[in-house]
Amino acid sequence: EAQVTQNPRYLITVTGKKLTVTCSQNMNHEYMSWYRQDPGLGLRQIYYSMNVEVTDKGDVPEGYKVSRKEKRNFPLILESPSPNQTSLYFCASSLWAGGSETQYFGPGTRLLVL
Amino acid sequence: AQSVAQPEDQVNVAEGNPLTVKCTYSVSGNPYLFWYVQYPNRGLQFLLKYITGDNLVKGSYGFEAEFNKSQTSFHLKKPSALVSDSALYFCAVRDLGGNKLTFGTGTQLKVEL
Repeated sequence: EAQVTQNPRYLITVTGKKLTVTCSQNMNHEYMSWYRQDPGLGLRQIYYSMNVEVTDKGDVPEGYKVSRKEKRNFPLILESPSPNQTSLYFCASSLWAGGSETQYFGPGTRLLVL
Repeated sequence: AQSVAQPEDQVNVAEGNPLTVKCTYSVSGNPYLFWYVQYPNRGLQFLLKYITGDNLVKGSYGFEAEFNKSQTSFHLKKPSALVSDSALYFCAVRDLGGNKLTFGTGTQLKVEL
């Protein structure tokens, strides 16, 4: 089944404790992206990757890191999480970045930073 | 910069009645427009998209959307709402040459018996 998977689905952590949220897709997509969803703000893009070893900042990259060493994986790293990073996070992928390509989303990771 | 506005935080409709969820956009040039739906505790699911051509686009679960270039709108519609349509709906836009998908703030649809 074609899908985007994320792990973990739920995470409670404390301020300053490094964490990684994994994202994997099995559709051989070139483009992958991370979003955060907050009430009243919709989805905002954190980082995106056009292909392996090519990443760039989205609208809200502060406090986050990403890497794209393999085509299928695009982990999101919070080096020193803070309470304002409490949010619902989505990974998405598409065949390529632009045009009419549809992005397919993972199930989401709900993060609480205490 | 491109942007999307969903002017209604919530839309309430009775089951069996038609529903409309509004979306207006701003991009330079021709747009690609998308609708996604989010059910509770689930990810976003693609509903439909406008690329070019016919202004009325048909999508999943009986939904359709009408592209209006002069009004820069892409409203989501369904002739007869179901209680199971209750969910959070997002409109998104990408310009012709861009790689960035910009989302609206979402509209909560509540369909009641």
